Amino acid sequence: KQEVTQIPAALSVPEGENLVLNCSFTDSAIYNLQWFRQDPGKGLTSLLLIQSSQREQTSGRLNASLDKSSGRSTLYIAASQPGDSATYLCAVKIAAGNKLTFGGGTRVLVKP
Amino acid sequence: DTGVSQNPRHKITKRGQNVTFRCDPISEHNRLYWYRQTLGQGPEFLTYFQNEAQLEKSRLLSDRFSAERPKGSFSTLEIQRTEQGDSAMYLCASSLDRARGGNTEAFFGQGTRLTVV
Repeated sequence: KQEVTQIPAALSVPEGENLVLNCSFTDSAIYNLQWFRQDPGKGLTSLLLIQSSQREQTSGRLNASLDKSSGRSTLYIAASQPGDSATYLCAVKIAAGNKLTFGGGTRVLVKP
Repeated sequence: DTGVSQNPRHKITKRGQNVTFRCDPISEHNRLYWYRQTLGQGPEFLTYFQNEAQLEKSRLLSDRFSAERPKGSFSTLEIQRTEQGDSAMYLCASSLDRARGGNTEAFFGQGTRLTVV
């Protein structure tokens, strides 16, 4: 059974600092991995999708890496801003049409 | 492309009542998923459809829960005889298979917040 873990559960940084969010999964045979952002009481916004054949994806200040062999992904957010405050969730899919298995999320607070 | 739409956004119901939620996926997406999220946790899978066929149901989906996607477009999730433990955010997502030109990226709606009193 695939299990996804995100540590730490919460993180507080001063504005301008780079954020490093970790995601680990137990079964390396994944189809893809997706990072999401969730604001309080809202749905999920897709940030980055990494296919199993890829090592990283970038979008603006966001960069996500994938190391299947070690069962890890890292989301980097450069030069954090107060507007980056949210919960960040990673999720893995083990087959093309299959469900996503989520981690518990990392709650991020960026202080002005 | 108007995104995934869920209605209602909030629902308060008395224990024992039935509730129904609706999800309208992104129009060309053939896969539709339902998840449940409780406070402080990641979403948990409930069920999913490929077109109109329901392909998988989680053990979380008790007999009181039923989901449909009658024409392969919108979907409904019904909870019968609600219990306080059903209080959660119910999230819907959709995606498009690679065979249809997509990349399987999942897009989520804003969710329906259910409170059972």
